[in-house]
Amino acid sequence: AQSVAQPEDQVNVAEGNPLTVKCTYSVSGNPYLFWYVQYPNRGLQFLLKYITGDNLVKGSYGFEAEFNKSQTSFHLKKPSALVSDSALYFCAVIPRPGGANNLFFGTGTRLTVIP
Amino acid sequence: DTAVSQTPKYLVTQMGNDKSIKCEQNLGHDTMYWYKQDSKKFLKIMFSYNNKELIINETVPNRFSPKSPDKAHLNLHINSLELGDSAVYFCASSQYLGGQVNTEAFFGQGTRLTVV
Repeated sequence: AQSVAQPEDQVNVAEGNPLTVKCTYSVSGNPYLFWYVQYPNRGLQFLLKYITGDNLVKGSYGFEAEFNKSQTSFHLKKPSALVSDSALYFCAVIPRPGGANNLFFGTGTRLTVIP
Repeated sequence: DTAVSQTPKYLVTQMGNDKSIKCEQNLGHDTMYWYKQDSKKFLKIMFSYNNKELIINETVPNRFSPKSPDKAHLNLHINSLELGDSAVYFCASSQYLGGQVNTEAFFGQGTRLTVV
């Protein structure tokens, strides 16, 4: 069973507009949730994580994400998109922290910010 | 300084060969990982390893074997390479402290393996 889902393969947004990249998870308990970004021919860069505490998490480059336990979602957001935000975004989960702590990734969402 | 470094960045080899990819981290982390990204950009865990245990994803063929000479290195050795092994392989590291994920995982730049 897939632990995390990203329902949109592609998201297009105009520069300056707010952006949202969706992520839902399907694990029980208290998973750890992450967002990573991958630029072309590069490794994955960490953006932000939710472990516990405040449901609104702020991360790198002006990104934030809101943990919603009732909807099992962890959507990535940014108030004003930049062309340089264009990249592949991955949501990831550690289903049972304290064990192997392996990351299980969603299928990725390609974000294109249009000038 | 690069936190997690992999070599080589590109690797082209023939079917049936044996090859290794090296990974080093200078973050002082105690847990390292190998992930595989296929042509559709799907990312899957292959192995996780710390000084206590090796966790192997059961879907990984036994032609793949991690080798860790010390806590800062986790190399990936692949025997009898097949066409389907072509992918990008990412090394990562994180710190595991008493059941808590103390840090996010840091990833290397990836090794693009092409089997011909």
